[in-house]
Amino acid sequence: DAGVIQSPRHEVTEMGQEVTLRCKPISGHNSLFWYRQTMMRGLELLIYFNNNVPIDDSGMPEDRFSAKMPNASFSTLKIQPSEPRDSAVYFCASTEPGSETQYFGPGTRLLVL
Amino acid sequence: AQSVTQLGSHVSVSEGALVLLRCNYSSSVPPYLFWYVQYPNQGLQLLLKYTTGATLVKGINGFEAEFKKSETSFHLTKPSAHMSDAAEYFCAVSSNNLFFGTGTRLTVIP
Repeated sequence: DAGVIQSPRHEVTEMGQEVTLRCKPISGHNSLFWYRQTMMRGLELLIYFNNNVPIDDSGMPEDRFSAKMPNASFSTLKIQPSEPRDSAVYFCASTEPGSETQYFGPGTRLLVL
Repeated sequence: AQSVTQLGSHVSVSEGALVLLRCNYSSSVPPYLFWYVQYPNQGLQLLLKYTTGATLVKGINGFEAEFKKSETSFHLTKPSAHMSDAAEYFCAVSSNNLFFGTGTRLTVIP
């Protein structure tokens, strides 16, 4: 199994630009989670999906952030427009039905200049 | 509501010494508890978990943790530290979501 796949692994962009982060969960998993990790705030849950439906997006910082899951094998997290304070590592994780164990991807390191 | 407190953001031990990373939780329902490890520039990897049953849980790389309901604790231990154990360790409690602690960075001194 390839595990959770995230792309890109690194992204450098300028303030005001649109950023799209991508995630492919483990095949057969039906829940998907987006996290943000920074030195100051640690790991924060942004949003999670169950069976492609957003269940809790209370962690999404503001309207500049949006997430979609058009099918069971793909999700995107979009930031538009991006700001320097969005610089962080963004992780995607997935779980299989009936399990609480989350499997994390390698993360996308985002730097907004 | 669920929450996790990890005591000590940094822990240093000598190679071969006991590793003890502390975690206390708060949960309104019987908790599921997890320890994850994060190596530099990598994602989080599950170390071990407690759901039900035996309160002493063994994980990968020689780590284990004991669920103590009376103390609301789930401390992580390893009898003998190895250089490769240097990483950041996160305790988490779950209901529908995982609530992570702030992490403990473990340094192993040769």
